[in-house]
Amino acid sequence: LAKTTQPISMDSYEGQEVNITCSHNNIATNDYITWYQQFPSQGPRFIIQGYKTKVTNEVASLFIPADRKSSTLSLPRVSLSDTAVYYCLVGDLPPGGFKTIFGAGTRLFVKA
Amino acid sequence: DVKVTQSSRYLVKRTGEKVFLECVQDMDHENMFWYRQDPGLGLRLIYFSYDVKMKEKGDIPEGYSVSREKKERFSLILESASTNQTSMYLCASSSNDIPGEQYFGPGTRLTVT
Repeated sequence: LAKTTQPISMDSYEGQEVNITCSHNNIATNDYITWYQQFPSQGPRFIIQGYKTKVTNEVASLFIPADRKSSTLSLPRVSLSDTAVYYCLVGDLPPGGFKTIFGAGTRLFVKA
Repeated sequence: DVKVTQSSRYLVKRTGEKVFLECVQDMDHENMFWYRQDPGLGLRLIYFSYDVKMKEKGDIPEGYSVSREKKERFSLILESASTNQTSMYLCASSSNDIPGEQYFGPGTRLTVT
């Protein structure tokens, strides 16, 4: 199973773009890359998912290079409410089960 | 909106007790998961189920069992609770259409004394 490595913490200021990179050197062909956000005392919340190249939604962008050994979550113009832990997740699809591994997460602190 | 509910937000049990944690989802999702979360360790997968009566071990299944008799319900069982099972337990579900998009419940903080 592919393990992930992320920075433990990051600091930013309101209005800045934040990029969080995740390494997953052993990613398998069928694995998708997913990012989650978690606030204290809450369950994680899905942000974005991708397989290759670039994916964008109303919240974030996800950049995945051709070798797929890493991915970068990009949060445009962060606000104080984006202070949270961000998890990179790699997993494959059913059938045969959906095995996932959450990393330790990146604690993002947004300052005023 | 998808709703994943867990039977308790807080639970205190004694060592050796049998503990049941219940999870219910209302979106007809095929996949359901149990995680535990501990400070500094992130989320660790205990068990998951991709169909009724089907289960697969995750990374840390020791000391736990699960039951999925109905599609919407996934139960985590601690046969004989121990203090090292004090943790936050999170249930999640996902559809086969977008399996990476897991919907999480609010969590159950279990304390074993």
